[in-house]
Amino acid sequence: QVQLQQSGPGLVKPSQTLSLTCAISGDSVSSNSAAWNWIRQSPSRGLEWLGRTYYRSKWFFDYDVAVRGRIVINPDTSKNQFSLRLESVTPEDTAVYFCARAKFTSAWYDYWGQGTLVTVSS
Amino acid sequence: DIQMTQSPSSLSASVGDRVTITCRASQTFKNFLNWYQQKPGKAPKLLIYTTSTLESGVPSRFSGSGSGTDFTLTISSLQPEDFATYYCQQTYSAPHTFGQGTKLEIK
Repeated sequence: QVQLQQSGPGLVKPSQTLSLTCAISGDSVSSNSAAWNWIRQSPSRGLEWLGRTYYRSKWFFDYDVAVRGRIVINPDTSKNQFSLRLESVTPEDTAVYFCARAKFTSAWYDYWGQGTLVTVSS
Repeated sequence: DIQMTQSPSSLSASVGDRVTITCRASQTFKNFLNWYQQKPGKAPKLLIYTTSTLESGVPSRFSGSGSGTDFTLTISSLQPEDFATYYCQQTYSAPHTFGQGTKLEIK
């Protein structure tokens, strides 16, 4: 059974960096089939895919154009987890952030983290 | 990007009713259309993947169909636990876009 456990601060100041981690059990971040995704949800924007990482003999990264330039998704094989960094945040980045696994790169999201509400406020 | 448009955005129905939610894509694609159920304060839960395959453990009153740009989620006989918000999602190409959601409420 795959489990994803999110951690990270719930409050970030404007212009600073949002950092969240998703710890994986029951699968490997280095899996040659799975893909590891970050999604956020806000009342104004709904469910918004942010990006993903996956390993196919080398690491691949895809980011949504709306956050490209501010986002980094980083796999950590030593801890079997992946992280999200979103730089230069504004109040519009306030949302519930989720990590999720796709069984392969075009697959459905079968396992999700519990969600983290991140508020951007001074 | 493939845009996903769901309708209706909200729906009132009674226990035992049959309901259908529609998802329309901005361009045609094959198969990788998924449906999720979300309850307040929880992560989305996978119901149906690749248009019509029921996720393990999901009741058979849920079904999915469609092709091209038009897809539907049908609940054959609503149960009290089905009142929630439903989302479609395409995973055919990145970015993996979601519909805006359909909130199913008790009449």
